[in-house]
Amino acid sequence: GENVEQHPSTLSVQEGDSAVIKCTYSDSASNYFPWYKQELGKRPQLIIDIRSNVGEKKDQRIAVTLNKTAKHFSLHITETQPEDSAVYFCAARGPGNSGAGSYQLTFGKGTKLSVIP
Amino acid sequence: DGGITQSPKYLFRKEGQNVTLSCEQNLNHDAMYWYRQDPGQGLRLIYYSQIVNDFQKGDIAEGYSVSREKKESFPLTVTSAQKNPTAFYLCASSMLRTSETQYFGPGTRLLVL
Repeated sequence: GENVEQHPSTLSVQEGDSAVIKCTYSDSASNYFPWYKQELGKRPQLIIDIRSNVGEKKDQRIAVTLNKTAKHFSLHITETQPEDSAVYFCAARGPGNSGAGSYQLTFGKGTKLSVIP
Repeated sequence: DGGITQSPKYLFRKEGQNVTLSCEQNLNHDAMYWYRQDPGQGLRLIYYSQIVNDFQKGDIAEGYSVSREKKESFPLTVTSAQKNPTAFYLCASSMLRTSETQYFGPGTRLLVL
């Protein structure tokens, strides 16, 4: 099955600096890569996602890059603000045509981001 | 994701007791999922269902059971066979064929007395 590794597990940055979180995946057939933000005690919320036919996607201060050859993808947050402090999860999903199990999302273990004012 | 509800918010289980966590969605989503979240472990899939009356085991199904009698509902039972049930349980749903996006409910925190 799919295996997703996420680094670092904790990250502290000064307000206004950039933050980068990296994930690697094992199944070359995976084709969908979402990123979720989870504030303390709350539900995970999708912040950005990318499909395997795209190399980069941006949404205001957030961007995701995908390197299919190396099987890794990264989340970039620029001009960080205190409200960006949360746990961020990456995930990978199979193509959906190789059995029921390929619809699953496999999550990384999360990165706790702290933005210091 | 406001269309997914979970209850209760907190649940206490006694030794040898089965407890059931509720998950309801009014988004007309085909697929529903149950995840367990432990500190430092991320989200691990317990069970998922792509259609009514059908469900599949995820990575950590032992000690859990589910049913999918209605499209809107996917309850999770934590049985007495689950020896370490203390965790945050999250339900999610997705359209499956038209969108890969999974939307999460607010979660249920299960504690053992």
